[in-house]
Amino acid sequence: GDSVTQMEGPVTLSEEAFLTINCTYTATGYPSLFWYVQYPGEGLQLLLKATKADDKGSNKGFEATYRKETTSFHLEKGSVQVSDSAVYFCALDPSNDYKLSFGAGTTVTVRA
Amino acid sequence: SQTIHQWPATLVQPVGSPLSLECTVEGTSNPNLYWYRQAAGRGLQLLFYSVGIGQISSEVPQNLSASRPQDRQFILSSKKLLLSDSGFYLCAWSAGGAKTQYFGPGTRLLVL
Repeated sequence: GDSVTQMEGPVTLSEEAFLTINCTYTATGYPSLFWYVQYPGEGLQLLLKATKADDKGSNKGFEATYRKETTSFHLEKGSVQVSDSAVYFCALDPSNDYKLSFGAGTTVTVRA
Repeated sequence: SQTIHQWPATLVQPVGSPLSLECTVEGTSNPNLYWYRQAAGRGLQLLFYSVGIGQISSEVPQNLSASRPQDRQFILSSKKLLLSDSGFYLCAWSAGGAKTQYFGPGTRLLVL
């Protein structure tokens, strides 16, 4: 079935470092792709999304581009802050389904 | 604007006791509703989803059940809790036909 695979963590960075979290997907159709963020002790928040190939989602300095040729949706941020410490989830919506398929999550810790 | 509420925020229950977690959504009609569980340090597991009043789909066999007595109310229940039911329970909603899900703040359940 449709699924996503994201890089395992944890990832530890210094402030102002470049962050990349890899996400690849397997899908039979043309899914929408999402990145969610979960700050400590909270629920998930939608960070960004892309609905078709070559779309770029962006929010709060984060970006991800829907790459159909490589079936990827990698999350990037050029200069991270301590406040970016969180768990990041990649997700896709399988075609003709109400459910989202989530990756396992990547824990990111940014040190001052 | 739409908001989603969950309560209680935290719950400590003895093994064998009953459970009732509530989720309500405001500002939308006929949402799709979802219950997820997140075990410590792990990803999201979809437990139940509902596309309408009285319509519940179960994703995994377990001792939990869900009900949707009203359009914007989703309840997660158990008659007898197990130690393995401990975790962080998240409710989410999406607009009918749309795939983006919006999450509540979660309920942290500890079964002792």
